[in-house]
Amino acid sequence: SQKIEQNSEALNIQEGKTATLTCNYTNYSPAYLQWYRQDPGRGPVFLLLIRENEKEKRKERLKVTFDTTLKQSLFHITASQPADSATYLCALVKRDDKIIFGKGTRLHILP
Amino acid sequence: EAQVTQNPRYLITVTGKKLTVTCSQNMNHEYMSWYRQDPGLGLRQIYYSMNVEVTDKGDVPEGYKVSRKEKRNFPLILESPSPNQTSLYFCASSWGGGSAYGYTFGSGTRLTVV
Repeated sequence: SQKIEQNSEALNIQEGKTATLTCNYTNYSPAYLQWYRQDPGRGPVFLLLIRENEKEKRKERLKVTFDTTLKQSLFHITASQPADSATYLCALVKRDDKIIFGKGTRLHILP
Repeated sequence: EAQVTQNPRYLITVTGKKLTVTCSQNMNHEYMSWYRQDPGLGLRQIYYSMNVEVTDKGDVPEGYKVSRKEKRNFPLILESPSPNQTSLYFCASSWGGGSAYGYTFGSGTRLTVV
């Protein structure tokens, strides 16, 4: 069956360190992969998109990698800050334009 | 400000009483979609619309209706709500079919059906 998986356990990272979140998928051939941030009770906010033929994408302190061989995307936040604490969702966009969201990973940046 | 506006923000209703959750976007996006979010289940797509008068079912369409008479509006209708439709609902819009473009989400509607 097709699955998209993110760490269900919360991730605690010390302020200033790099936070790395993982998104794994099976039985998909995604065209794109997106990352969103969601704060409690609020709608997700789009952060970054990476295409299947791209290995890495950066935006300020954020970096996303995409390995179609491993079927994995990694999302990095460098120089993390308490304000980065949120739930981060990955979303896989299939070739038929259907989008599948992961369940998200809660990130806590500890001061 | 570019945004997706949902109303109401909170709604408590009784089983069987028809309700409509409105969604409006001011970005001239062609694609709009409704999601529900439940603990442990993540975001699940209810319905989506590629353009005016074009709608299609998502993964969990049972018990819901939508319409797209204008580009900017995409209301979600629950004809006869049931307690299992208690959830957090999000409307989202995008330039394309959710493919090369990120979605803009509304702030959410927390619905409780008693």
